[in-house]
Amino acid sequence: IQMTQSPPTLSAAVGDRVTITCRASETIDNWLAWYQQKAGKAPKLLIYDASSLGSGVPSRFSGSGSGTEFTLTISSLQPDDFATYYCQQYNSYSPKITFGGGTKVEIK
Amino acid sequence: QVHLQESGPGLVKPSETLSLTCTVSGDSITSAFWGWVRQPPGKGLEWIGFIYNSGTTNFNPSLSRRVSMSLDTSKNQFSLTLTGVTAADTAIYYCARAQGGTQVFYFYYMDVWGQGTTVTVSS
Repeated sequence: IQMTQSPPTLSAAVGDRVTITCRASETIDNWLAWYQQKAGKAPKLLIYDASSLGSGVPSRFSGSGSGTEFTLTISSLQPDDFATYYCQQYNSYSPKITFGGGTKVEIK
Repeated sequence: QVHLQESGPGLVKPSETLSLTCTVSGDSITSAFWGWVRQPPGKGLEWIGFIYNSGTTNFNPSLSRRVSMSLDTSKNQFSLTLTGVTAADTAIYYCARAQGGTQVFYFYYMDVWGQGTTVTVSS
């Protein structure tokens, strides 16, 4: 299953509402996670099962979608949110786990 | 608090074997599932495989002929071995805890990650 993220790069200002899209090449129900990765650091889990918030993750992050189209929304972008975001599908009917290509959120 | 720490050589020669260990603290490796993910320089994430608490494994088909994983319950560690490495295996290697279910061979998200270790394949 291929995961396509858009846009690859996004320029936004502090306080902006930001939306990142992830599309699956076939249905994955709600078996989707979102991660945040800062430069030189490991990925950090934000969202699992498409819309469940990870432990300790701020409520400005939210996820939605099912089937083949998913979104990650940051309701009000904070300075700490400038990073690269990845989606990951974990549909057990797929031959393997796959990640999206990433979306880099930059300062406008 | 669960903490994972990767260890192993930072430089491996082409055609040789890469071996990495992940030391787990704050959780027992027999009560959860574990995995490895890698990231080539400047690129995205690639899932390598999972090892379940029974020792059963599930690998990325593109790597399955060269990959093995094992548990060391006495040290609360799990390990990755990748044979016949090439420059294409140069990457940051992360270990992680798989979460979200209890069925072997199923896929899961990863809720706790190690800091990563850089492995370079070069003569």
